[in-house]
Amino acid sequence: GESVGLHLPTLSVQEGDNSIINCAYSNSASDYFIWYKQESGKGPQFIIDIRSNMDKRQGQRVTVLLNKTVKHLSLQIAATQPGDSAVYFCAEANFNKFYFGSGTKLNVKP
Amino acid sequence: DAGVIQSPRHEVTEMGQEVTLRCKPISGHNSLFWYRQTMMRGLELLIYFNNNVPIDDSGMPEDRFSAKMPNASFSTLKIQPSEPRDSAVYFCASSRDSGEKLFFGSGTQLSVL
Repeated sequence: GESVGLHLPTLSVQEGDNSIINCAYSNSASDYFIWYKQESGKGPQFIIDIRSNMDKRQGQRVTVLLNKTVKHLSLQIAATQPGDSAVYFCAEANFNKFYFGSGTKLNVKP
Repeated sequence: DAGVIQSPRHEVTEMGQEVTLRCKPISGHNSLFWYRQTMMRGLELLIYFNNNVPIDDSGMPEDRFSAKMPNASFSTLKIQPSEPRDSAVYFCASSRDSGEKLFFGSGTQLSVL
């Protein structure tokens, strides 16, 4: 039969605008969450993490929000730059194993 | 810090051949993970080790796949015999301890013809 590949959702933003990337996780028992950035030809790179006892954490230009009630995670990038163009993955940790979402492609237009 | 080092970066082989992928975790990290990435299935966890001991290999697709970690600074993922459907990017990642954030290598792009 015909194989169907993952169709990555794409977010296109203008340089300088803020970006919001969303992720729905599956396991209510997951207690640790991480956002990764993957550029073409490279491995995933850590951006920011958050534990389940928090609902918000800020880094440099990035903020992660966690809503455990609806099992939702978001990554906010302030003043998006061309170098932010990449695929972004959320990962949830359960029993020390990390499970990754399918990813969102961020396209920054100059 | 050199980060997680994987070799080779690219591997092209013919169906039926044995393939060995190599990984050197970050020094001092106790946990090591092997992932496979494809367009169809995304990032899949194959196996992970803690203190050189395999903890969970439930993600290994079949008996053709095996992984070892003979010491704290080296791990291998072997496919024997390889098949075209094994074509993917294979990533190794390490973490300081169980449940801590993963640091990924640059991956091995495997093509089985």
